[in-house]
Amino acid sequence: GAVVSQHPSRVICKSGTSVKIECRSLDFQATTMFWYRQFPKQSLMLMATSNEGSKATYEQGVEKDKFLINHASLTLSTLTVTSAHPEDSSFYICSARDASLGNTIYFGEGSWLTVV
Amino acid sequence: GEDVEQSLFLSVREGDSSVINCTYTDSSSTYLYWYKQEPGAGLQLLTYIFSNMDMKQDQRLTVLLNKKDKHLSLRIADTQTGDSAIYFCAESIRGNTPLVFGKGTRLSVIA
Repeated sequence: GAVVSQHPSRVICKSGTSVKIECRSLDFQATTMFWYRQFPKQSLMLMATSNEGSKATYEQGVEKDKFLINHASLTLSTLTVTSAHPEDSSFYICSARDASLGNTIYFGEGSWLTVV
Repeated sequence: GEDVEQSLFLSVREGDSSVINCTYTDSSSTYLYWYKQEPGAGLQLLTYIFSNMDMKQDQRLTVLLNKKDKHLSLRIADTQTGDSAIYFCAESIRGNTPLVFGKGTRLSVIA
């Protein structure tokens, strides 16, 4: 079946640095990908919708200059957390829509970010 | 507006059936999904149902949809300890919109 891969699965970075998380659809083309953030024991919070070849659409309250999203190809979207702070530590999950399969949405394995 | 609600906890004995319920508010939902999340992992798509269907069965999983009441349920037959996880119900309003999630139901299976 369709697979969405995220990398890295875990990353630790220092405060003030930037970190990039990749989201790839492995066997389908995804014109639309979504980035979510999940705090412990809570549901997913949508951060932004990433459309291939155009600017991402950010949800209210999400700083677009801090969470840079690039969707340069039909199989890859990246989320860059810039000038990371400890409060950015979280579980980040991407998802990709397979338009050829009834718009089914598949999720990546998630990336644990710890900012120290 | 869009809202998806689930009960937060469910505990069942191994071998019994589990039924996880979900209600949604937007009658224009086109797809409804069930995802499973194990500790520290991403979301795994379990099954989905189109809004023009009443029921979908896939091995141990049965999804029932009552559009009139805007109620969705997931039944897991012969529940095993490996089924212990958080189950998220989600709806998609239109083809290109992101999913709206419930808060998740934590299923605990007692051996």
